[in-house]
Amino acid sequence: GIQVEQSPPDLILQEGANSTLRCNFSDSVNNLQWFHQNPWGQLINLFYIPSGTKQNGRLSATTVATERYSLLYISSSQTTDSGVYFCAVEPRFTSGTYKYIFGTGTRLKVLA
Amino acid sequence: DSGVTQTPKHLITATGQRVTLRCSPRSGDLSVYWYQQSLDQGLQFLIQYYNGEERAKGNILERFSAQQFPDLHSELNLSSLELGDSALYFCASSVAPGDRTGNTIYFGEGSWLTVV
Repeated sequence: GIQVEQSPPDLILQEGANSTLRCNFSDSVNNLQWFHQNPWGQLINLFYIPSGTKQNGRLSATTVATERYSLLYISSSQTTDSGVYFCAVEPRFTSGTYKYIFGTGTRLKVLA
Repeated sequence: DSGVTQTPKHLITATGQRVTLRCSPRSGDLSVYWYQQSLDQGLQFLIQYYNGEERAKGNILERFSAQQFPDLHSELNLSSLELGDSALYFCASSVAPGDRTGNTIYFGEGSWLTVV
């Protein structure tokens, strides 16, 4: 099945710093989303981005589907950005078993 | 607020017991997914229903079962509980069955299950 790898696994930043999180996937995908899991466990939708570039405030994301990777950019990080960031993909060819497969996540801690 | 409602939010039960987790999808969504997240683990797909029918199955144990009712809410039943079943169980929903682009998935806040 499709493999979804995220890097780095852990990241510590000072408040105000910028960062780039990467998601590599091993096969073609129909759908791709980025999520933020906050310290209380809630999974928050950040972007639906199977291709192209999107921006939402301090966050932006780019997916290059032909090269099978997606990037999440966090600028001017804040302590509230702490948590785990997941990339999830829905493979294009799955023999009828369509589901989102999650990467292992990047654990981000932003220090005040 | 994603619009996906899960109950209960927290549950503590003993080994060998049975529990039922409930999920109401977002208004208009026909697909319901269940995921399990154990401590320090990623999200593992359990099962998906679309408009009342099972659509996809993941690594769901035989002790676990689920169903989606005509009003589209779903229940996940966990029986003969073991300590290792302690986890955060998420329900998610989407409009489509998942075989097309544009299928955005939204998660509920999860049900924390502790088996003692």
